[in-house]
Amino acid sequence: DVKVTQSSRYLVKRTGEKVFLECVQDMDHENMFWYRQDPGLGLRLIYFSYDVKMKEKGDIPEGYSVSREKKERFSLILESASTNQTSMYLCASSEDGDTEAFFGQGTRLTVV
Amino acid sequence: QKEVEQNSGPLSVPEGAIASLNCTYSDRVSQSFFWYRQYSGKSPELIMSIYSNGDKEDGRFTAQLNKASQYVSLLIRDSQPSDSATYLCAVNRWDSSYKLIFGSGTRLLVRP
Repeated sequence: DVKVTQSSRYLVKRTGEKVFLECVQDMDHENMFWYRQDPGLGLRLIYFSYDVKMKEKGDIPEGYSVSREKKERFSLILESASTNQTSMYLCASSEDGDTEAFFGQGTRLTVV
Repeated sequence: QKEVEQNSGPLSVPEGAIASLNCTYSDRVSQSFFWYRQYSGKSPELIMSIYSNGDKEDGRFTAQLNKASQYVSLLIRDSQPSDSATYLCAVNRWDSSYKLIFGSGTRLLVRP
């Protein structure tokens, strides 16, 4: 079974802090994604990576950056956390562009 | 117009009935389509993928795709209370590479 693991289930951070969300997949997938999910808005794509050190912006990249130094690991960085970044963050991976994505368990981030 | 549109619901059906969930998408070059189920507080899990026009059946689930009408649906036969969840439609979108884009989901309630 594909396993996508996010480093934290719940996080509480203060406004202005730099926040790192980590994601690891064990299936040698090429693609990795970061989404945020908010009530009524569904899943919105923040960033996407199709190879090591390669990244592309999704629909809502402002205030975020990403890092993919190794194939199995994809990190989401909030440079200076703000209260409007309070959300559920979901990491996913897929084998290629045409195949299904598998999700981690999610990180519920609260910025106070 | 949203790229992937779903009726937010809730769609309420009695136990044993057929639940019909619908999704439209705007990108004509999309090739891959997915249905995910998400229970409250959990991450999305894949139910079905479909790539060609027509029907694809898997147990109680049938996915239907009509690329000409840019429409994909999910039928759940013999609905059970355990099917009560939010169903997310996902479509791959070409934007220098394929990215997986989600609708906002339809909430399904199956009444015992």
